[in-house]
Amino acid sequence: DGGITQSPKYLFRKEGQNVTLSCEQNLNHDAMYWYRQDPGQGLRLIYYSQIVNDFQKGDIAEGYSVSREKKESFPLTVTSAQKNPTAFYLCASTLGTSGYTFGSGTRLTVV
Amino acid sequence: GEDVEQSLFLSVREGDSSVINCTYTDSSSTYLYWYKQEPGAGLQLLTYIFSNMDMKQDQRLTVLLNKKDKHLSLRIADTQTGDSAIYFCAEKSGGYNKLIFGAGTRLAVHP
Repeated sequence: DGGITQSPKYLFRKEGQNVTLSCEQNLNHDAMYWYRQDPGQGLRLIYYSQIVNDFQKGDIAEGYSVSREKKESFPLTVTSAQKNPTAFYLCASTLGTSGYTFGSGTRLTVV
Repeated sequence: GEDVEQSLFLSVREGDSSVINCTYTDSSSTYLYWYKQEPGAGLQLLTYIFSNMDMKQDQRLTVLLNKKDKHLSLRIADTQTGDSAIYFCAEKSGGYNKLIFGAGTRLAVHP
């Protein structure tokens, strides 16, 4: 079955450490997105990519980086520059008007 | 600018109807969406409506769109305990399949 896979489900980061969250889709979708969700808040867009080898900053890109070397993959790196990284991270993809398909999320905690 | 607003909490009795409301600001939005999020999970697309429609019904779900007032609602008939979740309204904005999400409405269903 087609879908989006995010891994790991839970991730712990030490202070000053970079971590990478994986997002893979086999839906043949061109566009992919990363959102951050904090308790009691909506989704905030971090980065998005409309096509391979191209991506744009969203509303809260500082402290994050992405790459889009393959259509299927859109990994997100949370760098040490992100001072408050503890959150639930959601990856999504879309073909267009049908809306987004979401992964099951990665919960990142700073220890 | 772009903004989507929802009330944060709704409590209903099992078997009653639930109505979740949403307002948006971008009059050029072409599609509007409703998503459901259960605890610790990603977002699941429930339904969507094209901006030239007033109403869409899908089993227990009814979406009403008042384009003049930029108001969207989701009615869930015969609400069940399994409907307890956070419901997000989203509008498609701009030319890059970008979705703008509201903060989400937490629906609590009690006996």
